[in-house]
Amino acid sequence: KAGVTQTPRYLIKTRGQQVTLSCSPISGHRSVSWYQQTPGQGLQFLFEYFSETQRNKGNFPGRFSGRQFSNSRSEMNVSTLELGDSALYLCASSLGSGGAPDTQYFGPGTRLTVL
Amino acid sequence: DAKTTQPPSMDCAEGRAANLPCNHSTISGNEYVYWYRQIHSQGPQYIIHGLKNNETNEMASLIITEDRKSSTLILPHATLRDTAVYYCIVILSGGGADGLTFGKGTHLIIQP
Repeated sequence: KAGVTQTPRYLIKTRGQQVTLSCSPISGHRSVSWYQQTPGQGLQFLFEYFSETQRNKGNFPGRFSGRQFSNSRSEMNVSTLELGDSALYLCASSLGSGGAPDTQYFGPGTRLTVL
Repeated sequence: DAKTTQPPSMDCAEGRAANLPCNHSTISGNEYVYWYRQIHSQGPQYIIHGLKNNETNEMASLIITEDRKSSTLILPHATLRDTAVYYCIVILSGGGADGLTFGKGTHLIIQP
């Protein structure tokens, strides 16, 4: 099976702009989670989508949003970019069916640089 | 989720077995031990997980002590491409309501 894919892999934006990142999960996986990873804060959970609905949410401001489509592909959007949003954004997919354990598989990430 | 303790760094010679320890003394009965690794600036890669029994797959072996308070990840024949940060985490199932959390992990350096 193909793994989790993320596009674009690298992105440079300026403060105040907005950005949309895309994630395609492993075939058959219905849960998609998004994470932000920085050297200072480590891995931080943004939100999880399952069956087109946000199921869980981390502690990030409303500038960070996401959605999931009927084919389980997901996008996340960051509006009004700030310098501190520079990070590696990771998407992880899992079956999401509630059975234990539900292993998450990560994509390669999108490296966002805000100037 | 239970916390884990790992050494910050380890060296291993290429071709030898790399044994990475992890302490999780507060683990509860229905929590799984998971291992991921992350090569610099790439996405974390799932390696293996286990509940009580030892597990083996094409990448590694996981040895869990009988009291489940510690575990060891074994890479049987380490190569230079195994140089990465290895994260041991203990989770109830999947990411849960708060997602996955990685600690500092162990920076494994494979020496030629």
